[in-house]
Amino acid sequence: EADIYQTPRYLVIGTGKKITLECSQTMGHDKMYWYQQDPGMELHLIHYSYGVNSTEKGDLSSESTVSRIRTEHFPLTLESARPSHTSQYLCASEALGGAGTGNTIYFGEGSWLTVV
Amino acid sequence: KNQVEQSPQSLIILEGKNCTLQCNYTVSPFSNLRWYKQDTGRGPVSLTIMTFSENTKSNGRYTATLDADTKQSSLHITASQLSDSASYICVVIDRGSTLGRLYFGRGTQLTVWP
Repeated sequence: EADIYQTPRYLVIGTGKKITLECSQTMGHDKMYWYQQDPGMELHLIHYSYGVNSTEKGDLSSESTVSRIRTEHFPLTLESARPSHTSQYLCASEALGGAGTGNTIYFGEGSWLTVV
Repeated sequence: KNQVEQSPQSLIILEGKNCTLQCNYTVSPFSNLRWYKQDTGRGPVSLTIMTFSENTKSNGRYTATLDADTKQSSLHITASQLSDSASYICVVIDRGSTLGRLYFGRGTQLTVWP
């Protein structure tokens, strides 16, 4: 059972609002990721972190920002939400060593964001 | 271009029947291949992880195969149950860097009918 949690699970907000999606894991993992997934489509990496104070942008351009002040916490923030941000956002984590070493990547349950 | 293609896009089977899902990839250099199950509205859950030297790996009623020469993998589900209804995602990891980059397929949407 993965110990990685996302809140909120579902959120409907108005255009222009600021929103922070929370992600926490209690497995002590150094690597954490944020993915964006539209229905029926593949996951796209938008942000990742190798550890505290380390954040990088992923493959898919995103107007969101992330921070990594504590190992267990990796929040994602949208300063001004737009309808184009409507999507599912998935947080994931794995132990340092990387997927190339066969480490399991654990995903959270996802946050469904709808911007109206 | 590194890609992961899955087929079929969707599949409907009757409870108790078997099925096989396909994954073809062009990711190189190859490190490992994973199958994930994603229930509707939930996060993906790992089913199997296969490295270059592994041909077959089982996890209960799920059996994954890998042919690294033809760059193909399959996921076979035996004696399907209603709870198997989900999207099954193939993920391929390259070894171009020590930390590995993930390439996701779009998934096969499996529906099991009673």
